[in-house]
Amino acid sequence: GDSVTQMEGPVTLSEEAFLTINCTYTATGYPSLFWYVQYPGEGLQLLLKATKADDKGSNKGFEATYRKETTSFHLEKGSVQVSDSAVYFCALRGSGGGADGLTFGKGTHLIIQP
Amino acid sequence: DAGVIQSPRHEVTEMGQEVTLRCKPISGHNSLFWYRQTMMRGLELLIYFNNNVPIDDSGMPEDRFSAKMPNASFSTLKIQPSEPRDSAVYFCASRPPANVLTFGAGSRLTVL
Repeated sequence: GDSVTQMEGPVTLSEEAFLTINCTYTATGYPSLFWYVQYPGEGLQLLLKATKADDKGSNKGFEATYRKETTSFHLEKGSVQVSDSAVYFCALRGSGGGADGLTFGKGTHLIIQP
Repeated sequence: DAGVIQSPRHEVTEMGQEVTLRCKPISGHNSLFWYRQTMMRGLELLIYFNNNVPIDDSGMPEDRFSAKMPNASFSTLKIQPSEPRDSAVYFCASRPPANVLTFGAGSRLTVL
């Protein structure tokens, strides 16, 4: 079945550092890929998405490129802020029939120190 | 738009009690999902509905769990009887056709 693997956290960085959170997936066909962010005490919010190979999703300074050859969708940001501290989830939506829900990775807790 | 609304936000109950979690999806969204989040297992899809009809409940852990969607604006997730291992945050999410999920703020359940 479909699965998503993302780097374990917590990831601790200083403000203005460069961020990479790795995400790889296993799926048949051509899934859509997502990054969601969860701030403390809140539900998940969509951060960005990509629906086909080589697409780049971007939002709020975050970017991720859909790489089919490496089955990856790594999240990057050039200069993080304290307000980026949250849990980040990589997810996929399968392209097969009936695969209507998202499959999530376990989440990466990001801590940004001033 | 008020977003996906879940209640209660927090529930503490004793083992053996019935728990009912409620969800109001965004108007116009025809798909509704229930997820469970724990430290050990992350986010797990429990069940989802399309046009009020349950499509896939293979993620429901056991018969103690049941979910209903009597109309397009309301869904419940019930646990009877509850057990300590059911302690988790339960999220409801909805989406319109061929679009992205919007999550509610979650219901944190603690079963003592």
